[in-house]
Amino acid sequence: DAGVTQSPTHLIKTRGQQVTLRCSPKSGHDTVSWYQQALGQGPQFIFQYYEEEERQRGNFPDRFSGHQFPNYSSELNVNALLLGDSALYLCASSSYGQGFYEQYFGPGTRLTVT
Amino acid sequence: AQSVTQLGSHVSVSEGALVLLRCNYSSSVPPYLFWYVQYPNQGLQLLLKYTTGATLVKGINGFEAEFKKSETSFHLTKPSAHMSDAAEYFCAVSFTGGGNKLTFGTGTQLKVEL
Repeated sequence: DAGVTQSPTHLIKTRGQQVTLRCSPKSGHDTVSWYQQALGQGPQFIFQYYEEEERQRGNFPDRFSGHQFPNYSSELNVNALLLGDSALYLCASSSYGQGFYEQYFGPGTRLTVT
Repeated sequence: AQSVTQLGSHVSVSEGALVLLRCNYSSSVPPYLFWYVQYPNQGLQLLLKYTTGATLVKGINGFEAEFKKSETSFHLTKPSAHMSDAAEYFCAVSFTGGGNKLTFGTGTQLKVEL
């Protein structure tokens, strides 16, 4: 049973560029949430997707956007990158029907903005 | 608004000693409470959760936590620390009617010494 997978593992971008991160949820899960974890901090909720729609959003600017595909996988897009966007980006999946409050996290994507 | 406070950003114990990591929460509605562990350069792994029912919950790797409503606490304990327990631990809260968005504490780094 594959868990949550994320790609790429690491990437380095320059200020002003755009980046796309990808996430495949755990088998049987239909809801995907994205979190940003800055160095030395706890994860911060960015947004959540269910049925291909954004259902909840945290306190992040519109530069952060996402998408969910019919196979439940998801993308996180960040435009006009800032140095402060450097962080570990975590994807978490859950099942809306069962065990909704139990989220499984992927290994994360480490984004460095120079 | 929900919030989580983890007392002690760094905790050091001897191998075989009791582990106690403190977590207090603030929530105006009944909370769901979680402890996650993060090993270096990895994602988050769920240790245990409280949703409803028994207030003493047991998790993986010998950890347990007790939900104390009167104290708004959800402290994590393990009777005997092992070297492999060295990691960062995060307490998190969500609540009914709020989707399953997690609000995390700032984390406690656990060091286990010989």
